[in-house]
Amino acid sequence: DSGVTQTPKHLITATGQRVTLRCSPRSGDLSVYWYQQSLDQGLQFLIQYYNGEERAKGNILERFSAQQFPDLHSELNLSSLELGDSALYFCASSVGPSVSGTTGELFFGEGSRLTVL
Amino acid sequence: DQQVKQNSPSLSVQEGRISILNCDYTNSMFDYFLWYKKYPAEGPTFLISISSIKDKNEDGRFTVFLNKSAKHLSLHIVPSQPGDSAVYFCAASGGFQKLVFGTGTRLLVSP
Repeated sequence: DSGVTQTPKHLITATGQRVTLRCSPRSGDLSVYWYQQSLDQGLQFLIQYYNGEERAKGNILERFSAQQFPDLHSELNLSSLELGDSALYFCASSVGPSVSGTTGELFFGEGSRLTVL
Repeated sequence: DQQVKQNSPSLSVQEGRISILNCDYTNSMFDYFLWYKKYPAEGPTFLISISSIKDKNEDGRFTVFLNKSAKHLSLHIVPSQPGDSAVYFCAASGGFQKLVFGTGTRLLVSP
């Protein structure tokens, strides 16, 4: 158990719809990262928040947005869903704002599997 | 633009032998490298890391080697055990505040 909680574990929805994925980081971690893993693909970095502020942005589509709340949990909003958005979405957390040294480990949740039909 | 590449999608090894997983990177700004292991239906878990100031880091059966001039790192597992069967992701960071992952190598250790 990494201490990172993601809900829901599975989600099936239709094209054009909107969903929200939720993540609670490990206790004490201030950074939250979102990653997307499509079939046979590596983990694609979407976005990072640190203590409520956006820290880094990766290959996140304009249809997707995220935020980190004062209690440090984070939500990833996916809208106007397309078939190609079907993927595993992982949330990870870490203590500090950057990935290096002793604070470099990311602790991952079990992921939210999104299926768009 | 795949900055971290794992060119072997899969690897099969017999129990007790050495497993060598390889990873290449293109971004010379990367200064910290990690390996993650992922079992089915679970999130990736951190395995071992190495800073660019080192060329080797060892933790029990796991050793990571870094060759900066070749922009190459490898993970050695000795001896391999059936419980090591998983997908292994190489990851790198530096320059930007994010972790870039490779596509993973599926390791199968047979008894």
